[in-house]
Amino acid sequence: DIVMTQSPLSLPVTPGEPASISCRSSQSLFDSDDGNTYVDWYLQKPGQSPQLLIYTLSYRASGVPDRFSGSGSGTHFTLKISRVEAEDVGLYYCMQRLDFPWTFGQGTKVEIK
Amino acid sequence: EVQLVESGGGLVKPGGSLRLSCGASGFNFSIYSMTWVRQAPGKGLEWVSTIGSRPHYIYYADSVKGRFTISRDNSRNSVYLQMNSLRVEDTAVYYCARGRGVDWGQGTLVTVSS
Repeated sequence: DIVMTQSPLSLPVTPGEPASISCRSSQSLFDSDDGNTYVDWYLQKPGQSPQLLIYTLSYRASGVPDRFSGSGSGTHFTLKISRVEAEDVGLYYCMQRLDFPWTFGQGTKVEIK
Repeated sequence: EVQLVESGGGLVKPGGSLRLSCGASGFNFSIYSMTWVRQAPGKGLEWVSTIGSRPHYIYYADSVKGRFTISRDNSRNSVYLQMNSLRVEDTAVYYCARGRGVDWGQGTLVTVSS
């Protein structure tokens, strides 16, 4: 199984400042057949279901503000928030869907300082 | 508006069975794969199972293989998770999700306890 490792696990942030979360996979998530990198990012706000933020490395899901961006390659990926807002608090997860079983990172808790 | 509504959760004894349902609306259900993901209390997300659209493929996590069965009824816009031989460690909120995780339901809580 592909192991996904996130860092940090806890991230205090200041509104208006940038923030980033790192995710590493135990093997490359690049699919040479179609040129896509199959890593997604989710946000689970307190008391809510997870919501898709970024899919296939860097594509923002519908309705996701453009302050969220995904980047990376191979086995190292980053979710960036250009300017954190109070509504961005919650648990962030990366997930790989290159191969079954799909696997998630441990989650990064983002909270306001 | 896409809606996914899970039902069927509850309290069950170890070794018991439950059948979860997920009713979908607001999209062409028959062309999407569907997935179950669970979250144990205070823990992270764990993928459980995915079924293709026709279905032309089915996959399970090793932790549930041989005990859980995913199925779908495209005429009813529904996906199901039959859970047998339940264990304490299966206690979790179970979410259904559309496709690659584009949309999620609100979840249904399964508690396995004597």
